Amino acid sequence: GENVEQHPSTLSVQEGDSAVIKCTYSDSASNYFPWYKQELGKRPQLIIDIRSNVGEKKDQRIAVTLNKTAKHFSLHITETQPEDSAVYFCAATGTYKYIFGTGTRLKVLA
Amino acid sequence: GAVVSQHPSRVICKSGTSVKIECRSLDFQATTMFWYRQFPKQSLMLMATSNEGSKATYEQGVEKDKFLINHASLTLSTLTVTSAHPEDSSFYICSASLSGGGANVLTFGAGSRLTVL
Repeated sequence: GENVEQHPSTLSVQEGDSAVIKCTYSDSASNYFPWYKQELGKRPQLIIDIRSNVGEKKDQRIAVTLNKTAKHFSLHITETQPEDSAVYFCAATGTYKYIFGTGTRLKVLA
Repeated sequence: GAVVSQHPSRVICKSGTSVKIECRSLDFQATTMFWYRQFPKQSLMLMATSNEGSKATYEQGVEKDKFLINHASLTLSTLTVTSAHPEDSSFYICSASLSGGGANVLTFGAGSRLTVL
């Protein structure tokens, strides 16, 4: 069935360094790829998304890249700050059903 | 922007009782809402898709008689955990989709933490 793999499961970086989280999806019909940030006990918040007709999208310190051929998409956070520490989930969807990745716990060390 | 309100945020109940969780879209109409379950340090698991005016679609392995979903209006979906047991303790999150661009953007409620004693 449909599947989204996400790596790494945990990631620790020094403040100011970059962080990269990668996802691979299986359903070739997927055309929308959002990234969510979830702080402990809170709702997932959309931080950036990309559609299949675009290869890259950037919003300040956050960027997402998409390789449709390889079915890979990645989240890039530059100049990380302690408040970036959270769990990040990728997702893939073709219509309305989201398939979420397993999450990455990011720790930014001050 | 789109806002989804979920209530209650926390609920503690005794084993065997039923608990109802409400999910409302505040500033838009949602023909489709989704219910997820999240265990500690794990991902969001889709339980069911709630369709306004029709029966919910449950994911494989989710008991429809255990988790009753009602989507009576375009702004309200409810999840009732019937005869709750400790293993039902979890974080339940609803979401609603806002149509756009060929794929629906999800907005999440704040979640409901259920503890069954």
